[in-house]
Amino acid sequence: AQKVTQAQTEISVVEKEDVTLDCVYETRDTTYYLFWYKQPPSGELVFLIRRNSFDEQNEISGRYSWNFQKSTSSFNFTITASQVVDSAVYFCALSGAGSYQLTFGKGTKLSVIP
Amino acid sequence: GAGVSQSPSNKVTEKGKDVELRCDPISGHTALYWYRQSLGQGLEFLIYFQGNSAPDKSGLPSDRFSAERTGGSVSTLTIQRTQQEDSAVYLCASTDLWGRGPNIQYFGAGTRLSVL
Repeated sequence: AQKVTQAQTEISVVEKEDVTLDCVYETRDTTYYLFWYKQPPSGELVFLIRRNSFDEQNEISGRYSWNFQKSTSSFNFTITASQVVDSAVYFCALSGAGSYQLTFGKGTKLSVIP
Repeated sequence: GAGVSQSPSNKVTEKGKDVELRCDPISGHTALYWYRQSLGQGLEFLIYFQGNSAPDKSGLPSDRFSAERTGGSVSTLTIQRTQQEDSAVYLCASTDLWGRGPNIQYFGAGTRLSVL
């Protein structure tokens, strides 16, 4: 069975602070994909990143960066210099290779206070 | 269309009534997924379509739930004899299996269902 744990239910930060959202996963698959999605108040989940299990390189995209560590089964997401527009619920998800299902964590609600 | 479109955006119904939720995927996407998002339960997978076929319906919570897809495009999720516990946001996603890679699911804004 696959499982994704986002231990942080809610986080509040002041604008311009850095914030890291934690994601820990469990899977027996040797090939799998990890995802992060953002759900703003409008409700639509917005795809942010996909990472496959064979690529442990960290990735940076603007103010966003992701740290994938297979040794600890973690795929953490850091927002640098947070902005009010970053306020949303962020979901980490897992999919086995060739699988059609995404297994989601319960999400972390991020509030960025001006 | 440019994105996944779901209608209605909000639906209020009385307990015991039937409801239909519609999903129009991104043009050309072959796979379509339904999820349910409710407080305390997070996002739960309901059903997956490849073309018009649903290889896996195991996520449907009861036999009151059914879904179909026609023409490899629009999908309808039907809930019969609605119960209060069916209140949730129902999200639809579609996948382009031959584009940017497998399993990137693009989501609609959802239908918020409230059963009174």
